[in-house]
Formats: sequence, C-alpha cells, structure tokens
Amino acid sequence: AQKITQTQPGMFVQEKEAVTLDCTYDTSDPSYGLFWYKQPSSGEMIFLIYQGSYDQQNATEGRYSLNFQKARKSANLVISASQLGDSAMYFCAMRGPSGNTPLVFGKGTRLSVIA
Amino acid sequence: GAVVSQHPSWVICKSGTSVKIECRSLDFQATTMFWYRQFPKQSLMLMATSNEGSKATYEQGVEKDKFLINHASLTLSTLTVTSAHPEDSSFYICSARGTGVGNSPLHFGNGTRLTVT
Repeated sequence: AQKITQTQPGMFVQEKEAVTLDCTYDTSDPSYGLFWYKQPSSGEMIFLIYQGSYDQQNATEGRYSLNFQKARKSANLVISASQLGDSAMYFCAMRGPSGNTPLVFGKGTRLSVIA
Repeated sequence: GAVVSQHPSWVICKSGTSVKIECRSLDFQATTMFWYRQFPKQSLMLMATSNEGSKATYEQGVEKDKFLINHASLTLSTLTVTSAHPEDSSFYICSARGTGVGNSPLHFGNGTRLTVT
C-alpha cells in the first residue's frame, strides 16, 4: 500500500524567504509519481509540480522545486521567494505504477506567509 | 489545459433528501474520474473511482447505496448523496486525469460544499 507522510501541520515563513515543506512516502512499486498540490481557502486544488520515480533530475516549476531523494523516499517541496498569496494548504500526493490510478494524499501542511 | 467543472459549488439540504453533484471534463474525455471527500482541516480521502460505462469502484467503508455514482458519458460523472444526514456534510471534490496519463496530474473540480441540516 502507498502512504504519504507530511509531518508539519503548519509552517510560517517570512515574505520573500524560501521555505521547504516535507514529504516522505512509502511504496513497494518501483514506478510511481509524486505530486504537490496547493489548496487555498476557496477549496480548489491547484497542481504545482510532478516528479516521476525514474526522473534523474529534480523537478522545477517557476518558484517551486522538488527536492527528490529517492533513497530516503522523500519529496520535499521548496518554495522560493515566498509571497503572501502562497498562504494555503499544501498536499503531497502519490500515484501508483498504473497511469490511471487515483492519488493518495498526505495530511497536508498549512503554510502561512508573514509580511 | 485540462479543465474539470463541478456543480454546484455549494448546497444546503434538509436531512433525508438527496443531492446530486455533477463533474464534467470540459476539454478532454475522461474514462475514469475520482471522487474525494474532505472533512474540515483534513486531507482528501478517496471515496470511489468512477468508470465510464461500468460500475464504480468504492473504497472500503464507503456505502455504495448511499453515494450513487453514474458515469454515463466520457465527460460526465455524477455523485448522488441519497437520504443525506448531517454527518454527510463535507467538501466533495471530483477529479480526472487529462490525456497522456503517466505523469499528467489529476485535474480537480472546484469542489462542492455540502451542508445537511
């Protein structure tokens, strides 16, 4: 079974600073995908970044980067130059080897950006 | 990009009534859609996998007779909460994967906030 663990219920970061949100995962499948989503108070789920288990390089998307350490089974999200609009819930999620399978989500981390 | 539309965005109903939530993929065909439920300050929990033209697959502990799922076309899946009770009050959100499965993300509807009084 797949499992995602996010150990930080809440995080604070100063505006313009970088912040790392932790995510560890557990799976017995050699092929899997890792995702990060942002959920603002409105409830929508916004896709941020993806990392495949066979990807050699860490994924980056604008201010978001994923620190993928396969041996440690961690996929931490790094947000650089934090903005007030980054305040939201952040969920790490995993997909199994089959492309059309659902995502399993972690419990999430609430990020608050302070001016 | 792939867009998923969910309707209604919020609904208040009386205990004992039924509520239907629609999930549409607007610019792609989705043979599979996923329904999640999210209680306040908690994570998204998968309720069921909706398959076009066949029966939905429900997760353990989810009552299939209470949460009726119909996936009659490649762009529409519906979730009907039958005989709703206050404990069914939650945020329901559907999702589907666009073309090129593999690394393509799940695209989510904006969710439906259900309040049962």
